[in-house]
Amino acid sequence: DIQMTQSPSSLSASIGDRVTITCRASQSISNYFNWYQQKPGEAPKLLIYAASILQSGVPSRFSGSGSGTDFTLTISSLQPEDFATYYCQQSYSIPLTFGGGTKVEIK
Amino acid sequence: QVQLQQWGAGLLKSSETLSLSCAVYGGSLSGNYWSWIRQSPGKGLEWIGEINHSGSTNYNPSLKSRVTMSLDTSKSEFSLRLHSVTAADTAVYYCARTDDTLTGTIPYFELWGQGTLVTVSS
Repeated sequence: DIQMTQSPSSLSASIGDRVTITCRASQSISNYFNWYQQKPGEAPKLLIYAASILQSGVPSRFSGSGSGTDFTLTISSLQPEDFATYYCQQSYSIPLTFGGGTKVEIK
Repeated sequence: QVQLQQWGAGLLKSSETLSLSCAVYGGSLSGNYWSWIRQSPGKGLEWIGEINHSGSTNYNPSLKSRVTMSLDTSKSEFSLRLHSVTAADTAVYYCARTDDTLTGTIPYFELWGQGTLVTVSS
C-alpha cells in the first residue's frame, strides 16, 4: 500500500494567515493526488484534484502543488470558513489511501 | 443534480454482518465506479472498495476477506456487506462516486453520501 503522511497533524492560525499543509507519498504517484476539506459532521469535500486543479466553486485562495512524492496545499489568506480538517489522498494504485489529516484551528 | 442517499443498521454486535446501501438519485450507476469509505477515530479515512455498473469490484486487501459489494442497476443502488464485524469496525461509513470525468485518468471523490455511523458492541 502507498502510505500518505501529512504534516502537521494540527495547526493554529489566525484569520488572514497564509497556511501550508504538506503530504508525502511513500512512493512516486505522479499527480494522482487529491485534497479534501472536512468539517465536523459532514462528508469530505473535494478541493483540489490532480494535485493542482481547483475544483469548481472552491475559492481561489486555495492552491495545490507538487508531483511525485511531495505535495502542498496552501491557503493564501485564511478565512473563518476554512477552519476544518484537510486530507490528502492518492489515486495511483489500489488500495486508494488517505493521509491522516491536518486540523486547522483558530489561534 | 446527482445525490447519494445511504442507509443501514447503525448498531451491531460482534460477529454480525454490517449491511449498508446507497441510492443514486438523479443519475445512474453507469460509467463510474462506486466506492465505500469509512472513517474511524483511530484510523482516519479508509477506502473499503469499489464496484462498477457491470459488477466488477476492487477491494482493499486489508478487508477483502470480509467484504462483499453488490448493486441493483434497476434501482440505481449499490450495497456493502462486511462480515464478522468487531469493535474495530466501528466507524462512519460513506458511499461515494469514484469519478475521473474531469481528468480522464485520475480518480477522485466528488460526490459523497451523508454518512452512516455504525457502532459495533461486544
